[in-house]
Amino acid sequence: QKEVEQDPGPLSVPEGAIVSLNCTYSNSAFQYFMWYRQYSRKGPELLMYTYSSGNKEDGRFTAQVDKSSKYISLFIRDSQPSDSATYLCAISPPQAGTALIFGKGTTLSVSS
Amino acid sequence: NAGVTQTPKFQVLKTGQSMTLQCAQDMNHNSMYWYRQDPGMGLRLIYYSASEGTTDKGEVPNGYNVSRLNKREFSLRLESAAPSQTSVYFCASHITGSSYEQYFGPGTRLTVT
Repeated sequence: QKEVEQDPGPLSVPEGAIVSLNCTYSNSAFQYFMWYRQYSRKGPELLMYTYSSGNKEDGRFTAQVDKSSKYISLFIRDSQPSDSATYLCAISPPQAGTALIFGKGTTLSVSS
Repeated sequence: NAGVTQTPKFQVLKTGQSMTLQCAQDMNHNSMYWYRQDPGMGLRLIYYSASEGTTDKGEVPNGYNVSRLNKREFSLRLESAAPSQTSVYFCASHITGSSYEQYFGPGTRLTVT
């Protein structure tokens, strides 16, 4: 089992829809959970992060972690065409000096 | 600050040719990484350098070598390119002590024919 699993989609929604993107992970020791956004032909950029369990909200975006089920989610409210991108979940292993572990990414398309 | 820069942006190689991808960061970060990104495969770690003077293999190191030239620069070398190395290559850096944010370069699109 890979350490992080993410459905690659693609996911297509109309403008204004609520979008839910999800990942599962295998190691209960993970503490930092991130979402990166990657526009076409660009490098990924950090969108949000959460530490341990719970929710974090930033404008139209909400990141949620459920450590009991090893499940992380990103919700986008009132989706816009500018949200069209690939979204990658990432997890930071507890060992210092080790690399982030990325999911494969979900490609989202929001149509106007 | 330029952030993370990569050169070249595009490259076409013939099988068996060699080349070096250059990466530099001006954020005084300790850790640097090389990834490749292929359709359906996500980001796969090739090599990383936790600090100046150290390098470690990632998930897919075969066919590649790296050099951490100094704190700013981390290069990736393909000694004998193969079509399977056609990919988009990203360099990233990360400040030690920050568990969550990596900064990525714009990528190098490499085609091996």
